[in-house]
Amino acid sequence: EVQLVESGGGLVQPGGSLSLSCVGSGFTFSRYWMSWVRQAPGKGLEWVGNIKEDGSSKNYVDSVKGRFAISRDNAENTLYLEMNSLRADDTAVYYCAREDSESGNWGADHWGPGTQVAVSS
Amino acid sequence: DIQMTQSPSSLSASVGDRVTITCRASQNINNWLAWYQQKPGKAPKLLIYKASSLQSGVQSRFSGSGSGTDFTLTISYLQPDDAATYYCQQYNSWFFTFGPGTKVDIK
Repeated sequence: EVQLVESGGGLVQPGGSLSLSCVGSGFTFSRYWMSWVRQAPGKGLEWVGNIKEDGSSKNYVDSVKGRFAISRDNAENTLYLEMNSLRADDTAVYYCAREDSESGNWGADHWGPGTQVAVSS
Repeated sequence: DIQMTQSPSSLSASVGDRVTITCRASQNINNWLAWYQQKPGKAPKLLIYKASSLQSGVQSRFSGSGSGTDFTLTISYLQPDDAATYYCQQYNSWFFTFGPGTKVDIK
């Protein structure tokens, strides 16, 4: 069974940093693009960024460029999101998702339960 | 960047109704479009990929159509369990944009 589990969320002050992790199991992690998606309280889904299977290509939404960094460790089946210079509008539930890239179909076919990030003084 | 819009933003329908949600892209995305269902407090669930292909395990009353810039998600026979918010997402560029969502309530 495919599983994704995020961790690392919490309360952080504006300007602070936080690092999220997402551990995948039940599939060959290194064969899939992975994405981070967030959802602010009462708002819709916002795609944050993605990373290629081997980590050689990464893309980000404009609002996080230069502040957030996505990486992965395929040996540990783990996806990371390093978040710096956090702002109040980064407050959200952060989901990791597996993109069905291996089949060529795409679409985020598996999601973690999410981890809450709150940015407040 | 590619922008996505959805209409309506919300709707209320009765059990058994046919429901259609529209998604529009700001430029041609071919058929690189997915639809998701999200219930409160839960992660999204993939319903449709490549605009019209039904994800494994998804009920056949869900269907998708369209190509280019205009797409639709149809729920052919609305069930109480379909109360949720539905999002489209484009995959034509490497910046995977979501639509704003359509909330579906059951009368």
